[in-house]
Amino acid sequence: DSGVTQTPKHLITATGQRVTLRCSPRSGDLSVYWYQQSLDQGLQFLIQYYNGEERAKGNILERFSAQQFPDLHSELNLSSLELGDSALYFCASSDGTEGNTIYFGEGSWLTVV
Amino acid sequence: EDKVVQSPLSLVVHEGDTVTLNCSYEVTNFRSLLWYKQEKKAPTFLFMLTSSGIEKKSGRLSSILDKKELFSILNITATQTGDSAVYLCAVLRAGSYQLTFGKGTKLSVIP
Repeated sequence: DSGVTQTPKHLITATGQRVTLRCSPRSGDLSVYWYQQSLDQGLQFLIQYYNGEERAKGNILERFSAQQFPDLHSELNLSSLELGDSALYFCASSDGTEGNTIYFGEGSWLTVV
Repeated sequence: EDKVVQSPLSLVVHEGDTVTLNCSYEVTNFRSLLWYKQEKKAPTFLFMLTSSGIEKKSGRLSSILDKKELFSILNITATQTGDSAVYLCAVLRAGSYQLTFGKGTKLSVIP
């Protein structure tokens, strides 16, 4: 158990809908990362927050947004969902120190039908 | 753009065999290379390598980095069925916080 908690574990929704994925980082970690893993693309970095502020942005679609709250938990919002958004979404956390190890949560399986 | 290539993509071995997984990379301002094991869901951290030629070891697993030739290997000796997983290699560039992952090597260990 990495200490990173994600909910929900599984989610099935229809195209065009909006979902929110939630993440609680490890105790003491200030930085939260979101990654998307699909069969053909592998693990892709989406976005990183550090202590409530956006720090880095990767291949995140405009239909997706994220935020980190004062209690350091984070949410990833996915809207206008398409079939191709079906994937495993991971949250990870670290203390934010450059080069420090990043620990992954169990992921949220999203299926868009 | 940073690039990580892992080989082979999949591998089937018998229990007790020794395997070597490969990871080559191209990254600007390299800082570190990480290995993760992904069984059913969450990638779990194995090693972080920053210095060339220094082997990291944990039980039957070991890894080494060659910064001149831009690659790393992960060795697993005396494989067990519990080693069956996807092994992911990722690189981190200096000043960045995002990992660039390879597509992984799927290892299957059969009794």
